[in-house]
This record gives sequence, structure tokens and C-alpha cells, in this order.
Amino acid sequence: GNSVTQMEGPVTLSEEAFLTINCTYTATGYPSLFWYVQYPGEGLQLLLKATKADDKGSNKGFEATYRKETTSFHLEKGSVQVSDSAVYFCALRSDSSYKLIFGSGTRLLVRP
Amino acid sequence: DGGITQSPKYLFRKEGQNVTLSCEQNLNHDAMYWYRQDPGQGLRLIYYSQIVNDFQKGDIAEGYSVSREKKESFPLTVTSAQKNPTAFYLCASTMTTGGVEQFFGPGTRLTVL
Repeated sequence: GNSVTQMEGPVTLSEEAFLTINCTYTATGYPSLFWYVQYPGEGLQLLLKATKADDKGSNKGFEATYRKETTSFHLEKGSVQVSDSAVYFCALRSDSSYKLIFGSGTRLLVRP
Repeated sequence: DGGITQSPKYLFRKEGQNVTLSCEQNLNHDAMYWYRQDPGQGLRLIYYSQIVNDFQKGDIAEGYSVSREKKESFPLTVTSAQKNPTAFYLCASTMTTGGVEQFFGPGTRLTVL
């Protein structure tokens, strides 16, 4: 079945450091891929998405490229800020369902 | 402003009582979803509905019930049969044509005493 695997946290970085959070997936067909962010006590917000291979999603300095050959959708940011501290979820939606499959989440802590 | 509202934000109930969580959306989305989130874990799907008067069980439906009488509303009842109901509950919605992402509400934190 479909699944998403993302790196375990917490990830602790200093402000202005480079961020990578790894995400790989298993799915048949051509899924759409997403990164969501969750701040403490809140719901999930869509951070970026990609709907086909080689698409790059980007938002607020974050980027992720849909790599079908490696079944990956790694999240990157060149210079993190304290305000980026949150939990990040990778997710996929298969092309035959409206349901989202989530990874277990990665907590990011950015220190000043 | 369009969006998804969930109420209340915090809910306390005694063990053995049923409780209903509200979810309303004004995005004109056809499909709605309920997820459960436990501390330090990902989201697990409880129920979903793709059209009014129809809904399907997700991965952890036991002890929960839903209704979808209106397009805008998808309430979730946590029954006394749910063995460990204390959790953070998230509602989401999506279009079924022309869109792929789900939009989430702010969540309800349920604590059973």
C-alpha cells in the first residue's frame, strides 16, 4: 500500500543554518506530494505541493522537488529562522483517492 | 473569509460520556475528513465523506460516528466505546475536482477525565 517515511526528529539547528528534512514515499501511479507545517496547538497549514515528477514546490523560502526516480520529496530551506520551529509533515495523495497519507512528522527546533 | 472552523478548541468530558465535535466549512468543498493526532505522532484518518449523506470509515473508526446532512458540516461523535479518546482532533476538507490539497481546521483538544 501507499506510505510515507520521513526522518525522525527532533532536528535542532542554529538560526541561519541550512535545513533538510528527508521524505520518501511508496505509491503506485502518480501521486501528488505535500509538505504541511503545524505550529504548537494549531491545525496543519499547507506549506507547498507538487503534483507531477520534477515539479518544484516552493513557499516562504522552503523548497521541495518531486523526484520520481528516487521516490523522494525532501524539504529544504537555505536559512532557517526561530519562527520556523514547528512540526513538518510530508504527505501524499494517490491519483485514485482523495485521502492523504501522512508521515509521522519531524519536529524542527531553531535556536537563536 | 473562507475557511474551516472547529469548536470548541478545548473540551473536557467524563469517562463514559458521548461528546460531539463540530466542524464547519464555507469553502464549498465536497469532501470532508476527520483525523486523530496523538502526542508526537502523525495523523490517523477516522472517517471521511465525499458527498452529502455518504461517509466511509477510515483507519481507526471504532468508537466514533459521523453524519453529513449538509455540505458545510461534518460533526464527529466520540462515543463511550472509544477506549482512549483523549487526543487532538483535526477536521479537513478538499475539492473533489480541480484541487488536490486538503485544508485543515484549528483542531479540538479533547481530554477525558
